[in-house]
Amino acid sequence: KAGVTQTPRYLIKTRGQQVTLSCSPISGHRSVSWYQQTPGQGLQFLFEYFSETQRNKGNFPGRFSGRQFSNSRSEMNVSTLELGDSALYLCASSSPRGLSTDTQYFGPGTRLTVL
Amino acid sequence: QQQVKQSPQSLIVQKGGISIINCAYENTAFDYFPWYQQFPGKGPALLIAIRPDVSEKKEGRFTISFNKSAKQFSLHIMDSQPGDSATYFCAASNQAGTALIFGKGTTLSVSS
Repeated sequence: KAGVTQTPRYLIKTRGQQVTLSCSPISGHRSVSWYQQTPGQGLQFLFEYFSETQRNKGNFPGRFSGRQFSNSRSEMNVSTLELGDSALYLCASSSPRGLSTDTQYFGPGTRLTVL
Repeated sequence: QQQVKQSPQSLIVQKGGISIINCAYENTAFDYFPWYQQFPGKGPALLIAIRPDVSEKKEGRFTISFNKSAKQFSLHIMDSQPGDSATYFCAASNQAGTALIFGKGTTLSVSS
């Protein structure tokens, strides 16, 4: 079974630009969560989608948004990029039940660098 | 407000020794406590997890100890091996969904 895939793996943008990251969950998984990982703040929850609906949202500004499609694939968008947005963005999917106790499977992440 | 506090930030253990990582949480609504292991260039991978109705869970060389009254839980790695060298994250979630609140991580280095 293929794991969680994220594209692109690396991205370089400049301040003020916007960026879209993509995540394909494991086949059959309906819950997709996004996390930001930085050396200073660690792993921080961005948002979670389940069956195309945003179910939870972390404490990030409105510049961070996401969506989920009917095939469970998800995208996150960051508008008006800031230097502090440089991070590893991780996507995780979990089983069709979408329960809190379900194992989350992480992708390798997209490394975003903002210059 | 950091809801899950993890210590130590880094840990050096000799091969064959015991590695111990501690976490404390604040939100009593948390009902699931997983530990994740992350190697450089990879996403985190689930190592072991526990529910608050259990005080201890063991899987191979990995054991979680859970103290509900103290709101603390810890990971013990027995017979630590160089291949265990990685960053370990404790986390917590509640029934609202699959959102995980992570600790800041512990970088474990096992010397041979």
